[in-house]
Amino acid sequence: AQRVTQPEKLLSVFKGAPVELKCNYSYSGSPELFWYVQYSRQRLQLLLRHISRESIKGFTADLNKGETSFHLKKPFAQEEDSAMYYCALLSYNTDKLIFGTGTRLQVFP
Amino acid sequence: NAGVTQTPKFRVLKTGQSMTLLCAQDMNHEYMYWYRQDPGMGLRLIHYSVGEGTTAKGEVPDGYNVSRLKKQNFLLGLESAAPSQTSVYFCASSKGLWDTEAFFGQGTRLTVV
Repeated sequence: AQRVTQPEKLLSVFKGAPVELKCNYSYSGSPELFWYVQYSRQRLQLLLRHISRESIKGFTADLNKGETSFHLKKPFAQEEDSAMYYCALLSYNTDKLIFGTGTRLQVFP
Repeated sequence: NAGVTQTPKFRVLKTGQSMTLLCAQDMNHEYMYWYRQDPGMGLRLIHYSVGEGTTAKGEVPDGYNVSRLKKQNFLLGLESAAPSQTSVYFCASSKGLWDTEAFFGQGTRLTVV
């Protein structure tokens, strides 16, 4: 079964500290993975996708097939990074976009 | 560009009442999704559609029905609302399935009393 696991409900750090939001997945085949973000009072939006290998707002995520992980990282957190972050997996077999339970990131000044 | 628009934004229902949530997109997207967002459970897929006239069940379809009569609209119906359906509902659309971004609506907060 396809599944996305985000083990942390809440992650709190101080401004300037490194951040790593964990995401593990289970999927038979080659996954397409994404990180979506929801800032306060805004709609959910795409942050980055693994296939693009891009860095958005200083965030990066590397797909590790051996560990079935797609952790989101940023070396120096900013207060404006405070938001809800969702890891998502695209299932080719079933045409579904499946989300994890989300991690709330709080960055304190 | 309006993008994805959900109607209504808020609604309070009594148990047993019915209602329809409307999702409209103006991006000519093929794929549309309905999710519910609950604390500690993230986004769960209710139903989705891969094109006009087609619908399919997601993870939590019970108690909901959907229709995609027009490409730009995806309707989510609750025939007999229950308190367990109190949630925030999000609609999303995407151009296709492969490697494309999903665009979300602003959400509908539904309370069933």
